[in-house]
Amino acid sequence: EIVLTQSPGTLSLSPGERATLSCRASQSVSSSYIAWYQQKPGQAPRLLIYGASTRATGTPDRLSGSGSGTDFTLTISRLEPEDFAVYYCQQYGVSPKFGQGTKVEIK
Amino acid sequence: EVQLVESGGGLVQPGGSLRLSCAASGFIFRNYAMAWVRQAPGKGLEWVSAINGNGGGTYYADSVKGRFTISRDNSKNTLYLQMNTLRAEDTAVYYCAKVGQECSSTSCYSYHYFDYWGQGTLVTVSS
Repeated sequence: EIVLTQSPGTLSLSPGERATLSCRASQSVSSSYIAWYQQKPGQAPRLLIYGASTRATGTPDRLSGSGSGTDFTLTISRLEPEDFAVYYCQQYGVSPKFGQGTKVEIK
Repeated sequence: EVQLVESGGGLVQPGGSLRLSCAASGFIFRNYAMAWVRQAPGKGLEWVSAINGNGGGTYYADSVKGRFTISRDNSKNTLYLQMNTLRAEDTAVYYCAKVGQECSSTSCYSYHYFDYWGQGTLVTVSS
């Protein structure tokens, strides 16, 4: 079973700053089967990235995904007010699993 | 526009049963695998179960295997989750989600990321 560990747990940043979110897998994730989601309070998650780096429909290009093997990253180049939320990574190999989430909060 | 609308949540006693429904629209339902994902209050996301487009393949998390049954009625564009022998730890918001699909020139394959989600329905297991 692959375990995903996200870090940091909370990221306190100001609008306009760069955010770097990490997702580390306990073993190599085949074919970069990693997705990223954004969730705001009281809302369902929203798919941002799949295949580690492919933006989903509607994902702005200031968000980008990268990585392979066991280390994956979601980068937000310049934080906008609507980017403050919780972000989850997910591996979608044999048995889908999510990381525990990273909260991006306003500093 | 893809829409997924869950229903059927509520308060149930431990050991009880509940059936969730998810009405889908805006896409060719029978062509896509579907899934249920849950989120306990204040916690993260947990994949629960998935079913392929024709209903012939079903998959479960170990935490619900033998207690939950996923099914679908493609004539009604509806996904179901029958939940039996419910436990307090099953308390969560249950989301219906459309499974991602990628197509080549000849075939389409499901990849179990979730590209559309419903708004969720709350299941509370408590005496």
